[in-house]
Amino acid sequence: SQQGEEDPQALSIQEGENATMNCSYKTSINNLQWYRQNSGRGLVHLILIRSNEREKHSGRLRVTLDTSKKSSSLLITASRAADTASYFCATDDSSASKIIFGSGTRLSIRP
Amino acid sequence: DTAVSQTPKYLVTQMGNDKSIKCEQNLGHDTMYWYKQDSKKFLKIMFSYNNKELIINETVPNRFSPKSPDKAHLNLHINSLELGDSAVYFCASSQGTGLPSYEQYFGPGTRLTVT
Repeated sequence: SQQGEEDPQALSIQEGENATMNCSYKTSINNLQWYRQNSGRGLVHLILIRSNEREKHSGRLRVTLDTSKKSSSLLITASRAADTASYFCATDDSSASKIIFGSGTRLSIRP
Repeated sequence: DTAVSQTPKYLVTQMGNDKSIKCEQNLGHDTMYWYKQDSKKFLKIMFSYNNKELIINETVPNRFSPKSPDKAHLNLHINSLELGDSAVYFCASSQGTGLPSYEQYFGPGTRLTVT
């Protein structure tokens, strides 16, 4: 079964605004990762947050992790047209040594 | 100097044919993967190899057969193609395997269309 689920499924915002995407998962994890996929391209790793971390930053990205709620959020500040993409969270599947991707959030940045 | 490359990028073929997709990584990683992304963008792992050894084999029809001649290459052969095999197939690699998980590097994908 799917481990991570993103919310919302689609998000459209004005350029310059902040975008927040959420990911919920079901079982205990070691790490949670966020990936970006531009249309017609492969996934690109954005950030990895460990289960003992609560927040992590990378440039305009901020990721939080709440293991008690089994959820994570990805915040993109000062959005740009180039941020238009699908964003996926991926969590460990402790039973099978693999990561499982959520269904993704499609982010559109309006000029 | 592409990190993970796949060929071909597009593959259009008829039902019943056999086709192969090739993948190569120049990152020196030990682990490689095949994923299938359906039309709803849902990404599902199919296989994983670590140092040429199969370590993950999801519930995939046995028409799909991966082959890893060395740790830098992982190919996917598909026999008797069916309409439902139409999807985008991604190859990926990571430094290690197991838990905690490692970040994965993806290839550009192969869009397979079966008619």
